[in-house]
Amino acid sequence: DVKVTQSSRYLVKRTGEKVFLECVQDMDHENMFWYRQDPGLGLRLIYFSYDVKMKEKGDIPEGYSVSREKKERFSLILESASTNQTSMYLCASSYPTSGSSYNEQFFGPGTRLTVL
Amino acid sequence: GDSVTQMEGPVTLSEEAFLTINCTYTATGYPSLFWYVQYPGEGLQLLLKATKADDKGSNKGFEATYRKETTSFHLEKGSVQVSDSAVYFCALSDQGGKLIFGQGTELSVKP
Repeated sequence: DVKVTQSSRYLVKRTGEKVFLECVQDMDHENMFWYRQDPGLGLRLIYFSYDVKMKEKGDIPEGYSVSREKKERFSLILESASTNQTSMYLCASSYPTSGSSYNEQFFGPGTRLTVL
Repeated sequence: GDSVTQMEGPVTLSEEAFLTINCTYTATGYPSLFWYVQYPGEGLQLLLKATKADDKGSNKGFEATYRKETTSFHLEKGSVQVSDSAVYFCALSDQGGKLIFGQGTELSVKP
């Protein structure tokens, strides 16, 4: 079974703090993704990575950065947390997409972050 | 850009009722279409998918047909159970292979 784990289920931080969210997958997937999930907005892509040390901006990268030093680990960093970053954060991983062949994304359980 | 629109929730049904959750999309090219499900306290998991027009995806009694003429991918189940209570997301894969999600529809099934 594919397993995607996230470092915390719940996290409470203060405005201005630097926050690290960690994601680890055990299936040797090349692709990894960070989303945030908000009521009424669905999932929005923050950043993704196709390989080690590679990163691409998603739809809402402002206020976030990422790090992928090892294939199995993809970290999301909030440089200076703000209250509007209070959300559920979901990590996912997949094999690469090739032509019309789509490979399923596997999701972690999520981290509910509250910024006070 | 590409987008997905789902019917708003929450949807509340009695056990054994028929379920339809509407999903329409806007996309360039020919995307693949998906339904993901999120059970309480868990991450998303793939429920079913369809990769070309007229394909029908099915799993666990759920079905959805890729309708190119109406740009739709409605989710249906003939008889829902309490265990189907979850949030359902319609999604498409864009030309870069990324997923674009609808806003999600919460389903609550009462015994």
